[in-house]
Formats: sequence, structure tokens, C-alpha cells
Amino acid sequence: DILMTQYSSSLAVSEGEKVTMSCKSSQSLLWIGNQRSCLVWHQRKPGQTPKPLITWASNREPGVPDRFIGSGSGTDFTLTISSMQAEDVGIYYCQQHLDIPLTFGSGTKLEIK
Amino acid sequence: EVQLVESGGGLVQPGRSLKLSCVASGFTFSNYGMNWIRQAPGKGLEWVAYISSGSSYIYYAETVKGRFTISRDNAKNTLYLQMTSLRSEDTALYYCARYYGATFFDYWGQGVMVTVSS
Repeated sequence: DILMTQYSSSLAVSEGEKVTMSCKSSQSLLWIGNQRSCLVWHQRKPGQTPKPLITWASNREPGVPDRFIGSGSGTDFTLTISSMQAEDVGIYYCQQHLDIPLTFGSGTKLEIK
Repeated sequence: EVQLVESGGGLVQPGRSLKLSCVASGFTFSNYGMNWIRQAPGKGLEWVAYISSGSSYIYYAETVKGRFTISRDNAKNTLYLQMTSLRSEDTALYYCARYYGATFFDYWGQGVMVTVSS
């Protein structure tokens, strides 16, 4: 199984501050078919179900604000929020879809300081 | 509007069975692979099972293989999860989720709670 590790279990930042959270996979998520990494970032706001923010490690989903930036490849990935907003509070999960079983990171809980 | 509504959860004794359903609306159900994902209390998200749009491909997590069966009825726009030989560690909130392009879960239901306890 591919182990997904999110080292920060929680972060507290002020509005307007930059946020960086990381995700590491136990093996490369690079898919030969398109040379892209099979990594998704999901956002789960309080009381809501998760929704995908970033796919293929760096592709922002339609409607996602451009302050959300996904980067990285291979085994190391980062989700950056360029300027924290109050509505960004929630839990952020990384998830790999290279191989079965599909696996998630444990999540990073993001709060407002 | 895409909607996924789970049902069938509840309190069940260890070793017993339970069947979950997920009724889909707002999209052409037969065009999408579907998944069950669960979250135990205080734990992270765990993928449980996947079924392709036409039921040709089915995969399970090792923790449920041989005990759980995923199925679907495209005529009824419904996804199922038959759970047998339930264990306390199967206690969780179970979500059905649509799988977009074999890459990510783009819509989730609100979840249904399954509690396995004597």
C-alpha cells in the first residue's frame, strides 16, 4: 500500500498569512501515461463533505480560488494558500490514485489564529 | 445538482450483517465509477471499495475483502454495500462518493453511521 504522510496535523494562521502544508508518499506517484503525479488535495470545511481542490498535484479545479496552489511531484507535495481567508478553515487531505488501495493522508486541520 | 444519499446504517452486533444503499441523482449514474469510503471515530479517511460504471471492475481494501460486497443497480441509480461478519473496527461513518475519470472523488454523500457493538 502507498502510505501518505501529512506531517502537520494542525496549523493556526492569521488571516492574510501564507499557509504551507506538505504531503509525502511512500513511493513515487508519477504516472507514466501522462508524466503527472496522481495526487489530489481535498478540502473539508466544517459540517461539509470533502471536495477536490487540486488534482494531478497542481491542477486547480474549476471554481477554486487562485490562492490555492498545488506543487510537487514524485513523492513530495505541497499545498500553499497564498493568503489565508476565514472561509479556508477546515481539514485538508492529500490522496493518491496511482494504485489500489486508494489512500489518504491523515489530514491537516487549518484554523484561524 | 448532484446528490448522493446514503441509508441503511445503524447499530448491529458483531458478526451480523448490514446493507447500505446510496441513491444518486442529478447526473447519469451509469456513466460513473462509484466508491465507498469510511471514517472511524477520531480516525482518518479509509477507502473501502470501488465499482466501475458497468460493474466490470471491483476492488476492495484488504480490511474488508471477503466480508463486504459492493454492487450497483444502474436502473435504480443506486449503489450498495453488503457488509457481513461485521467487527467493532468496522464502526464508522460510511460515505458513497462518485469517482471522476478514475482520478478523484468529486462528490460525496453526507454519510451514514454504522456502529458494531454488542
